[in-house]
Amino acid sequence: EVQLVESGGGLVQPGGSLRLSCAASGFTFSSYSMNWVRQAPGKGLEWVSYIQNSITTKYYADSVKGRFTISRDNAKNSLYLQMNSLRDEDTAIYYCTRDGGYSYEHDHWGQGTLVTVSS
Amino acid sequence: QSALTQPASVSGSPGQSITISCTGTSSDVGGYNFVSWYQQYPGKAPKLIIYEVSSRPSGVSNRFSGSKSGNTASLTISGLQAEDEADYYCNSYRSSSTLVFGGGTKLTVL
Repeated sequence: EVQLVESGGGLVQPGGSLRLSCAASGFTFSSYSMNWVRQAPGKGLEWVSYIQNSITTKYYADSVKGRFTISRDNAKNSLYLQMNSLRDEDTAIYYCTRDGGYSYEHDHWGQGTLVTVSS
Repeated sequence: QSALTQPASVSGSPGQSITISCTGTSSDVGGYNFVSWYQQYPGKAPKLIIYEVSSRPSGVSNRFSGSKSGNTASLTISGLQAEDEADYYCNSYRSSSTLVFGGGTKLTVL
């Protein structure tokens, strides 16, 4: 069974940093590209970042470009999101998702981790 | 990065069919067959229900179907059931090497 478990969320002040982690199991992690998707309270889904399975390609939403960095450790079956210069509008539940490999679809989702940016 | 356009809400009675539209541009929905759809219940993570415009993952009811015409993709739910009441989101690849979601549609089963 595919499992994605996020961790690392919490309360952080504006301008601060946070590192999210996603532990993957139940599939060959190194064979799949991965994403981070977020959802602000009461709002819709927003794609944040993508990393190819080979780590050679990374994409970012304009809203986080230059502040967030996606990475992965295929030996540890883990995905990461380093978030710097956090803003109030980054407050959201952050989901780790697996790319199904056909059409950039998110075929499995974690339960999410809440990041709250507030002073 | 502007979101894809979805109606804020749709409704239907049990047994009826409803369609949710997802309008983009030739740089995303119209340019690629990289459209997927998600169902989300309150407080839960989204679930993939359609990928590659019209393909269904294993285990998803055949009452859910997808299509595309030009810059607009559509999700149709036939034989509407009470359990279909949820939020629905479309997603597409965009030529600027990004992905984009629609704003979401709240489906109410009357």
